[in-house]
Amino acid sequence: SQKIEQNSEALNIQEGKTATLTCNYTNYSPAYLQWYRQDPGRGPVFLLLIRENEKEKRKERLKVTFDTTLKQSLFHITASQPADSATYLCALDKDDYKLSFGAGTTVTVRA
Amino acid sequence: EAQVTQNPRYLITVTGKKLTVTCSQNMNHEYMSWYRQDPGLGLRQIYYSMNVEVTDKGDVPEGYKVSRKEKRNFPLILESPSPNQTSLYFCASSALGGTGTYEQYFGPGTRLTVT
Repeated sequence: SQKIEQNSEALNIQEGKTATLTCNYTNYSPAYLQWYRQDPGRGPVFLLLIRENEKEKRKERLKVTFDTTLKQSLFHITASQPADSATYLCALDKDDYKLSFGAGTTVTVRA
Repeated sequence: EAQVTQNPRYLITVTGKKLTVTCSQNMNHEYMSWYRQDPGLGLRQIYYSMNVEVTDKGDVPEGYKVSRKEKRNFPLILESPSPNQTSLYFCASSALGGTGTYEQYFGPGTRLTVT
């Protein structure tokens, strides 16, 4: 069956360090992969989309990589700040325009 | 302002009493979708729609109905709610690409409790 796994449920990191989150998937062949940020009690907010023919995408302090051979995406937050504390979700298109989300990784950045 | 709105934001109801959660978007998006979010299970897709009068099941459609009579609206209907439908519900919309959906715009969420 198709499955999306995000690494640990929680990641605690010191301010200024780089947070690295993992999204692994099995039995998918996604055309692209998306990352979202979700704050408590609010809807997810889109951050980045990376296509299968792109190795890396950047947006300000965020960087996403996509390895279709390993079936893995890495999401990096560089120079992390307490305001980056949130839950980060990866999402893949399944067949027929269905969208599947991972369970998320909660990042806490300590000042 | 581009946005997705949902109503109500909070709802407490009793088993078996039919309810509707409304969703509206002002971005002229073709694609709209409903998700439920439960602790430890993440976001799961209930139904989605690729355009007016075109709807399809997501991963957890049992106990739910939807309709898409207008492009901007995509209501979620619970004909006979049960306690296991207690959850946080999100509506989302996006443009459609050739091979899938693009970035999803999410509503603020509806917290439903069924007693």
